[in-house]
Amino acid sequence: GAVVSQHPSRVICKSGTSVKIECRSLDFQATTMFWYRQFPKQSLMLMATSNEGSKATYEQGVEKDKFLINHASLTLSTLTVTSAHPEDSSFYICSVGSSTNQPQHFGDGTRLSIL
Amino acid sequence: AQKVTQAQTEISVVEKEDVTLDCVYETRDTTYYLFWYKQPPSGELVFLIRRNSFDEQNEISGRYSWNFQKSTSSFNFTITASQVVDSAVYFCALTPRFDSSASKIIFGSGTRLSIRP
Repeated sequence: GAVVSQHPSRVICKSGTSVKIECRSLDFQATTMFWYRQFPKQSLMLMATSNEGSKATYEQGVEKDKFLINHASLTLSTLTVTSAHPEDSSFYICSVGSSTNQPQHFGDGTRLSIL
Repeated sequence: AQKVTQAQTEISVVEKEDVTLDCVYETRDTTYYLFWYKQPPSGELVFLIRRNSFDEQNEISGRYSWNFQKSTSSFNFTITASQVVDSAVYFCALTPRFDSSASKIIFGSGTRLSIRP
């Protein structure tokens, strides 16, 4: 069964709306989760590293005030795209490390479309 | 700097042909992991293999095989007797630290593989 649950799988909304995406670790506690973004026909690029109980670490060029990350528990990280615009339309996917030195598990992704 | 290069943007072959997807990487780390992932049209990432930098043995899993050559910084993936269900985008990836559970993954640009019936 799934190890990581990501919700919603698809969102279509109007420009200016804020959208929250959840990434939930089902089988284990995760102090670190990762958020990636994938534009159509492009690769996955790391946006930020979500750390339980502390501030997220953002990659260069990613606006932390626009992409709010909250990792309030060991099983849940949320990514909120604030005041989304059409250029934010993308595929967002999270990953979770299960235990030391094991491959990360990916969620099934969220396809975000801003009209 | 760490980088993964997949020079083949798209490949199209006829079913039952063998196909090799190339991957070249750059890293200054002495310990690292290499990965291959499959991304079907539905979008989810399917983990195929992880290889650590100390293990250069080739690996075979059914119709899939991987050739890791540290001397050329390459980690190529071959599908033997391809099938239509193999059609997907394939990503080669690298984690720059030995603990792959806590390291960000650096992805190549992907190779879109189309298998024609």
